[in-house]
Amino acid sequence: AQSVAQPEDQVNVAEGNPLTVKCTYSVSGNPYLFWYVQYPNRGLQFLLKYITGDNLVKGSYGFEAEFNKSQTSFHLKKPSALVSDSALYFCAVRRGPGNNRKLIWGLGTSLAVNP
Amino acid sequence: SAVISQKPSRDICQRGTSLTIQCQVDSQVTMMFWYRQQPGQSLTLIATANQGSEATYESGFVIDKFPISRPNLTFSTLTVSNMSPEDSSIYLCSVVGTSENTGELFFGEGSRLTVL
Repeated sequence: AQSVAQPEDQVNVAEGNPLTVKCTYSVSGNPYLFWYVQYPNRGLQFLLKYITGDNLVKGSYGFEAEFNKSQTSFHLKKPSALVSDSALYFCAVRRGPGNNRKLIWGLGTSLAVNP
Repeated sequence: SAVISQKPSRDICQRGTSLTIQCQVDSQVTMMFWYRQQPGQSLTLIATANQGSEATYESGFVIDKFPISRPNLTFSTLTVSNMSPEDSSIYLCSVVGTSENTGELFFGEGSRLTVL
């Protein structure tokens, strides 16, 4: 069965420090992987995706993520955290192309960046 | 990316009533998706709305409880019928981005419903 795991409910980092939000997945075939962010009382915003090619993908707001096929992981990273990065982060995966294939969502990780 | 407007942004409803949520997209899209996000939980897909056909519901969701309309390629509504406190959630409308083959979704701001 396809699944996504975000092993940490909450991540706390100090402003200016690097941050990592973890995501592992289980899906047959080649995965399409996504990160979304949800700011308080807002909808979800697309951050970045991995489809194919370079394992390191760059997205919005200075975020990047590294696809690791052997570890089935897609961790979200940022070199220097900002207080404004505090939000709820969701990892999602789908199995290959085709717009009728549902996204499988992680449970989300709450990121708190402390000034 | 698409710009998606949802109305209402929030509402407080009485048990047993129904509420219709509207979703307007600034471009024509083939598929629209309705999600539910219960407090402290992840997203759950309710149904996929295609223009000109019946919506496709996910397991655990039925048309009588969540009727959906899709009258054209830029608009959809979701009705939450005969509401109970368990229906208190954020309801999100989403569409596939311009690259439909890779399938990233774009979301409206959500409609936060509280059922008393």
